[in-house]
Amino acid sequence: DTAVSQTPKYLVTQMGNDKSIKCEQNLGHDTMYWYKQDSKKFLKIMFSYNNKELIINETVPNRFSPKSPDKAHLNLHINSLELGDSAVYFCASSLGVGGGLFYEQYFGPGTRLTVT
Amino acid sequence: RKEVEQDPGPFNVPEGATVAFNCTYSNSASQSFFWYRQDCRKEPKLLMSVYSSGNEDGRFTAQLNRASQYISLLIRDSKLSDSATYLCVVRGYQKVTFGTGTKLQVIP
Repeated sequence: DTAVSQTPKYLVTQMGNDKSIKCEQNLGHDTMYWYKQDSKKFLKIMFSYNNKELIINETVPNRFSPKSPDKAHLNLHINSLELGDSAVYFCASSLGVGGGLFYEQYFGPGTRLTVT
Repeated sequence: RKEVEQDPGPFNVPEGATVAFNCTYSNSASQSFFWYRQDCRKEPKLLMSVYSSGNEDGRFTAQLNRASQYISLLIRDSKLSDSATYLCVVRGYQKVTFGTGTKLQVIP
């Protein structure tokens, strides 16, 4: 009965490879997000989708491409991985895109990506 | 000025102490505010939403001061299990910003 799940939990890969991280939520939420948390622990939003539509696209290299096949899934594909991509990537979901108190986010367990 | 600012700490407090964290935000149009807790190597988890009039949940009290653009979190009777990083979150329409977090270490 996991609310927000991500796979894989750990990903170790070499520079130049292409990899994907998958995220699924069973909360019935309309909005999903990808965050990156680097070694300094700062949690930075990368993308947000609402009902499969991209609504937030922060300054992220275009090697990162999110895909939302339906509103319960948001996957992240990364091309040509670099050392600086090593981080923990968190998926999250919320009821919607509104700014009110109903729109708290629920996070997945994270994917720890290590690029060697 | 950063959109959301927090003192990174660490705050080292003895068990049973009361500790307070502040978080300032720059966008006066921000609509809602939250405190999250993040344990080491875990995902952030919602601790509490912050209501305009302030709210309490057990040992935790959250306050909002819109005039001065800050929110606060007060923890009374600190427990060892409260040791974590506390993240302030500010939300507007289609926008959400996390603070960098304040690390709390409760010591026996």
